[in-house]
Amino acid sequence: GNSVTQMEGPVTLSEEAFLTINCTYTATGYPSLFWYVQYPGEGLQLLLKATKADDKGSNKGFEATYRKETTSFHLEKGSVQVSDSAVYFCALNINAGGTSYGKLTFGQGTILTVHP
Amino acid sequence: DAGVTQSPTHLIKTRGQHVTLRCSPISGHKSVSWYQQVLGQGPQFIFQYYEKEERGRGNFPDRFSARQFPNYSSELNVNALLLGDSALYLCASRSGQGPSEQYFGPGTRLTVT
Repeated sequence: GNSVTQMEGPVTLSEEAFLTINCTYTATGYPSLFWYVQYPGEGLQLLLKATKADDKGSNKGFEATYRKETTSFHLEKGSVQVSDSAVYFCALNINAGGTSYGKLTFGQGTILTVHP
Repeated sequence: DAGVTQSPTHLIKTRGQHVTLRCSPISGHKSVSWYQQVLGQGPQFIFQYYEKEERGRGNFPDRFSARQFPNYSSELNVNALLLGDSALYLCASRSGQGPSEQYFGPGTRLTVT
């Protein structure tokens, strides 16, 4: 089956530190990969995505590269801010056409806390 | 434009009771998916509906059911509630069946006592 594994948290950083959150996946088909962010008391927001191997998704200073050879999609940011404190989820769906796009498989989430 | 809305925000039920959760998708979106997020875990896929028909189901018991209405809003029903059903229930909508982004609502926090 399909699964996503994220590095365990929580991750605690000082402002302006470099961030890496590891994500690896297993998939029975050809996946698209996503990072979602969940701020306290809010729903999930799409942070970035990549739909094919070697694609780089980027948004708000965050980026992740789809690495098919290592089945990874690690999230990075060069300089985190206090406002980046949230829970980050790596996810995939399988590009099998039709209704497959409505089913996301998520990792367990990584809590990020950034201190001033 | 309004985003995905869900109601109620919170509710508390007793074991054995029934619950109905509601979701209104973004205007123009025809596909709705439901997810269960247990505290400390990632969301788990429950159902997907498109054009009022079930198009996908996750590994959940038959106590869970859903439907989609002509205006594309959706209900998730859970019968015979168990303590383990306590979770945040998320609804997400997409514009169609193709590879489009899912937009999530804020969720309904269900507590079963």
